Amino acid sequence: EADIYQTPRYLVIGTGKKITLECSQTMGHDKMYWYQQDPGMELHLIHYSYGVNSTEKGDLSSESTVSRIRTEHFPLTLESARPSHTSQYLCASRGLPTNTEAFFGQGTRLTVV
Amino acid sequence: GEDVEQSLFLSVREGDSSVINCTYTDSSSTYLYWYKQEPGAGLQLLTYIFSNMDMKQDQRLTVLLNKKDKHLSLRIADTQTGDSAIYFCAETPFSGGYNKLIFGAGTRLAVHP
Repeated sequence: EADIYQTPRYLVIGTGKKITLECSQTMGHDKMYWYQQDPGMELHLIHYSYGVNSTEKGDLSSESTVSRIRTEHFPLTLESARPSHTSQYLCASRGLPTNTEAFFGQGTRLTVV
Repeated sequence: GEDVEQSLFLSVREGDSSVINCTYTDSSSTYLYWYKQEPGAGLQLLTYIFSNMDMKQDQRLTVLLNKKDKHLSLRIADTQTGDSAIYFCAETPFSGGYNKLIFGAGTRLAVHP
């Protein structure tokens, strides 16, 4: 059973607001990921981390930022939300003992109005 | 750079075999994955193959890896309507120290009676 959680599941917010999407995992995984996915579409890697205090940008340019102060927590922040940020955001983690399977959260569907 | 390509749609008759294909660019990828996403749900790992293997079979699923051509395929035997979903191929490329996890655009499989 995957122990990775995202909150909120759904969020509708006005343009210009600052938001933080939460992602937590209890598996002790060192690697964590954020993907952006439009409905039924490709997953784009926007950020990843391979350990505490490490964060890297992914292949899709994003105005969001991330932090990794604790192993289990990998929040994503948008300082000023815009309608173009409307999308589904998926968090995932991967690590020992197998270091193979990535587990995904249920996603946060963000709508910026 | 890394890029994973898949055909976008596949339609099969119930009971037939489905073959979903994927090409990737980084020959040094250690693991290659197949994930399944059902409507409104998160991603679920179906199977994976280590790069030194040619084939892996798991019940109705058969994964074939042609490392020379950088081609990965997933065969689903006796396809059922419950197999209708989007199937994503993914790789762990050398760039980023094998920490990144890059997905293709996904193949939408439709199973009809």
